[in-house]
Amino acid sequence: EAGVAQSPRYKIIEKRQSVAFWCNPISGHATLYWYQQILGQGPKLLIQFQNNGVVDDSQLPKDRFSAERLKGVDSTLKIQPAKLEDSAVYLCASSTDMNTEAFFGQGTRLTVV
Amino acid sequence: AQTVTQSQPEMSVQEAETVTLSCTYDTSESDYYLFWYKQPPSRQMILVIRQEAYKQQNATENRFSVNFQKAAKSFSLKISDSQLGDAAMYFCAYSSSGTYKYIFGTGTRLKVLA
Repeated sequence: EAGVAQSPRYKIIEKRQSVAFWCNPISGHATLYWYQQILGQGPKLLIQFQNNGVVDDSQLPKDRFSAERLKGVDSTLKIQPAKLEDSAVYLCASSTDMNTEAFFGQGTRLTVV
Repeated sequence: AQTVTQSQPEMSVQEAETVTLSCTYDTSESDYYLFWYKQPPSRQMILVIRQEAYKQQNATENRFSVNFQKAAKSFSLKISDSQLGDAAMYFCAYSSSGTYKYIFGTGTRLKVLA
């Protein structure tokens, strides 16, 4: 079974530029999560989708972050414009339903300079 | 709001020995799930063990076991016969059966000494 795929693995951008991350969840997984993990901290949920609907985006900085999940499969997370404090690892995860194990991708390490 | 606290930033254990990682949480809910995830340098979070709050029996997965104390809101992970491959960051996580979103602690870095 293929795991959660994320790209790119690494990204370096200058502040005020825009960036997008892509996630392909495990086939058949209805729930998709985006987490932000700042160095030395635990992952923090940014947004949670159930199929193509948003379940929770209460911690998503909506003035600069946006996410979509077209057709309830792949998802993209965008930051525009980026700030220095956005430097982090962005993890995507998926699960079959909302009360079982979440499977994580390898994440995208973003460095904003 | 639910919180998860891991008070040990770093732990060390001798190979083949046993180590216990601590986790406490705060919630007013009665139905929830608790997890321990391992994050090696590759960054991919890997599930180590999970516990359903309604189950009194502590979960066990091979060398990994938990001590779940619901009244004390404590959820510690015991690793027996530690191996070099166990070296990683370990995160305790809480998931509410109402919202299902994961809340993670700040992690414990485990070093395994040969």
